[in-house]
Amino acid sequence: QVQLVQSGAEVKKPGSSVTVSCTASGGIFSSFDINWLRQAPGQGPEWMGGIIPVLDKADYAQKFEGRVTITVDKTSPTVHMELSSLRSDDTAVYYCARDGGSGWFDVWGQGTLVTVS
Amino acid sequence: DIQMTQSPSTLSASVRDRVTITCRATQDISDWLAWYQQTPGKAPRLLIYKASNLEGGVPSRFSGTGSGTDFTLTISSLQPDDFATYYCQQYNSYPYTFGQGTKVEIK
Repeated sequence: QVQLVQSGAEVKKPGSSVTVSCTASGGIFSSFDINWLRQAPGQGPEWMGGIIPVLDKADYAQKFEGRVTITVDKTSPTVHMELSSLRSDDTAVYYCARDGGSGWFDVWGQGTLVTVS
Repeated sequence: DIQMTQSPSTLSASVRDRVTITCRATQDISDWLAWYQQTPGKAPRLLIYKASNLEGGVPSRFSGTGSGTDFTLTISSLQPDDFATYYCQQYNSYPYTFGQGTKVEIK
């Protein structure tokens, strides 16, 4: 059973960057895509982008293009999401999630609260 | 971007009630739709994918229908664990987008 475990909560200053990590266990890491989503208080989830580890190819939502970078360390196996030029409205819980086949998300990390203040 | 609109935003119901939530897309997404359940402080949980396919381990009281632009999630007999917020998500095209959520409250 695949599990995704994320790094801990972060508090950041506006203008800085944050990196959130997501480590997979219990499955063949390279066989599934990992996505990053975020959820601001009282809002629905928002898809930020995803990576295909076996190809090391990432796709990003246009809203975050230029500010977000998703990378994979196949030896760990860990996926990292870096968000730069942080603003107060980036305050949210950030999730990594596995693509279950064609774009739905069947396994989620526990979430990482990022506070920009 | 494809917008997903859910209705109602809040729904008050009792245990054993039949509950229906609707989700509408701003363009045809075929059956590329998923439904999730979320309780406070937890990650979303996948219930249904490809509009009507029940995820493993999800109780059979949950069902999904629809295609094109209009979709429904039905809970046939509401149970205490089902009081939560429900989201639809389209994965027809990037960027994947979610509805704003429907909160199912105890009446």
